[in-house]
Amino acid sequence: AQKITQTQPGMFVQEKEAVTLDCTYDTSDPSYGLFWYKQPSSGEMIFLIYQGSYDQQNATEGRYSLNFQKARKSANLVISASQLGDSAMYFCAMREGSRGSYIPTFGRGTSLIVHP
Amino acid sequence: NAGVTQTPKFRILKIGQSMTLQCTQDMNHNYMYWYRQDPGMGLKLIYYSVGAGITDKGEVPNGYNVSRSTTEDFPLRLELAAPSQTSVYFCASSDFAGSSNSPLHFGNGTRLTVT
Repeated sequence: AQKITQTQPGMFVQEKEAVTLDCTYDTSDPSYGLFWYKQPSSGEMIFLIYQGSYDQQNATEGRYSLNFQKARKSANLVISASQLGDSAMYFCAMREGSRGSYIPTFGRGTSLIVHP
Repeated sequence: NAGVTQTPKFRILKIGQSMTLQCTQDMNHNYMYWYRQDPGMGLKLIYYSVGAGITDKGEVPNGYNVSRSTTEDFPLRLELAAPSQTSVYFCASSDFAGSSNSPLHFGNGTRLTVT
């Protein structure tokens, strides 16, 4: 069974609008971390945001926020005020703490295209 | 700030040839990883290392070998290259402080084609 599921292969959004990229995860480990990475067409992987399983508040980093719903096991990335430069692949990843040897696993990614 | 450096950026191999993908990091990170990225499949872990002298298999280790003689270097060796190894390869590193919140720092990737 996949540990990280990203159900949206592709998403489109108008410039300046907000967009939510979905991510659900599966773990029985009480300690884990969730990450989002951006991969632009140039190919590099860029770390965006982190959410820990014990964090009480949703993580935010500038225009990025993570909508963390622990009971639903979802960790959706919200990008506010989309920009053309946000067009990229986005990957959700999980790193399990006490049982997963701290090895991150990745989802298949969501391609985001921002229209002018 | 160099971070994680991978070489080469591009390589074309003939079937049966061998090569080594180089990876070095200057952040004194304990953990290092090799992933391959195939279209629509996300990143799959090939090998990882938790420190110098220690390596372990990931999800897709067949056809690859690694070594970790120093903290900085984690080369990936392809023996007898096959078309199925055509992919983009990423090396990554992370700190380990007994918790799960250390993000991976990635190299810029190596695009390998085997024909």
